[in-house]
Amino acid sequence: KQEVTQIPAALSVPEGENLVLNCSFTDSAIYNLQWFRQDPGKGLTSLLLIQSSQREQTSGRLNASLDKSSGRSTLYIAASQPGDSATYLCAVWDGGSQGNLIFGKGTKLSVKP
Amino acid sequence: GAVVSQHPSRVICKSGTSVKIECRSLDFQATTMFWYRQFPKQSLMLMATSNEGSKATYEQGVEKDKFLINHASLTLSTLTVTSAHPEDSSFYICSARVDRGGNSPLHFGNGTRLTVT
Repeated sequence: KQEVTQIPAALSVPEGENLVLNCSFTDSAIYNLQWFRQDPGKGLTSLLLIQSSQREQTSGRLNASLDKSSGRSTLYIAASQPGDSATYLCAVWDGGSQGNLIFGKGTKLSVKP
Repeated sequence: GAVVSQHPSRVICKSGTSVKIECRSLDFQATTMFWYRQFPKQSLMLMATSNEGSKATYEQGVEKDKFLINHASLTLSTLTVTSAHPEDSSFYICSARVDRGGNSPLHFGNGTRLTVT
């Protein structure tokens, strides 16, 4: 059974720092991995989707990498800002016909001004 | 981009009543929608997969008679929590894809905070 783990559970950094969020999954047979952002009491915003054949994806200050063989992904946030404060979730699709995702518990990020 | 609208965003109801949550894909057709539930500090857990025109597929441990799902059109799925109890208080989120399978991003609604008193 696929399990997704995110470390750390919470992270607090001063504004301007570069940071890395980690995601690991137990079964490397995934089709893609997706990173989301969740603001308190809100739904999820898709940040980056990495296909299993890709190594990384970039969007603005965000860079996500994928090492499928080792079951790991990282989300790199450059020059963090207070507006980046949120919970970041990673999720994998294991190829099920319906396309639902398996989520980690998230990393709660706080960027201090 | 693809937008999923979920309504209401917040609802408070008395124990024993039923609550309906709507999930709409605004600018695309969603043959499949997903309903998740999230407890505080926990990951999203899939409750059921909703397919247009057919019965929903429920995950193990989810009572289909309690959580009624209807996907009557390609742009609307509803989740009805019947005879709600305080333990049903949670954050419910729906999602949808533009196409079948998982090779496109999953888009989420803003969620519904249900509080049962």
